[in-house]
Amino acid sequence: GAGVSQSPSNKVTEKGKDVELRCDPISGHTALYWYRQSLGQGLEFLIYFQGNSAPDKSGLPSDRFSAERTGGSVSTLTIQRTQQEDSAVYLCASSLVRHSTGELFFGEGSRLTVL
Amino acid sequence: DQQVKQNSPSLSVQEGRISILNCDYTNSMFDYFLWYKKYPAEGPTFLISISSIKDKNEDGRFTVFLNKSAKHLSLHIVPSQPGDSAVYFCAASAADTDKLIFGTGTRLQVFP
Repeated sequence: GAGVSQSPSNKVTEKGKDVELRCDPISGHTALYWYRQSLGQGLEFLIYFQGNSAPDKSGLPSDRFSAERTGGSVSTLTIQRTQQEDSAVYLCASSLVRHSTGELFFGEGSRLTVL
Repeated sequence: DQQVKQNSPSLSVQEGRISILNCDYTNSMFDYFLWYKKYPAEGPTFLISISSIKDKNEDGRFTVFLNKSAKHLSLHIVPSQPGDSAVYFCAASAADTDKLIFGTGTRLQVFP
């Protein structure tokens, strides 16, 4: 497709389980971001990938969170030993260049519910 | 520490009137500001942006104003239309970082 694709769109899991969220950015976009939106909160930055550079992981809330981007394209966000506070909508975005010269294109998000 | 603040969680405006959404920031290093619009069950979409070298940027019905001394920006929508009903996020970035910092959003409802 032409846009950013995320899967699954909805995920319900039990506390303590691991989850993987996938993001397919727009073809050719070198920058990829993960954000999350908790209930009643704004968009919280998690991690940023730019080309072959080391990712900016400064937004990851704990070491249970990790992300990788294979081949400069698809990205997977992994949450280990999920907790109820991890429940949120996880949004992926990509851009052709640094966002300051072009806007981010967001996917529809993956809604995670941890019971 | 919320570096980008949208103090009004919601706003209700009559169709045809002006909608004014406000955003305040604390980081004086921010040099680029954007507004995104989000409909339910969809990802945010870019609306309009402004560089810190400007104080106004206009695109059709949408105008963003930047007051650097007050660390304040606003989005004006005129005339407002029912299709503008959505959550609006303000975002900012600094030249030395690639992170966009978002506010908590303002839910705009435009009623007939």
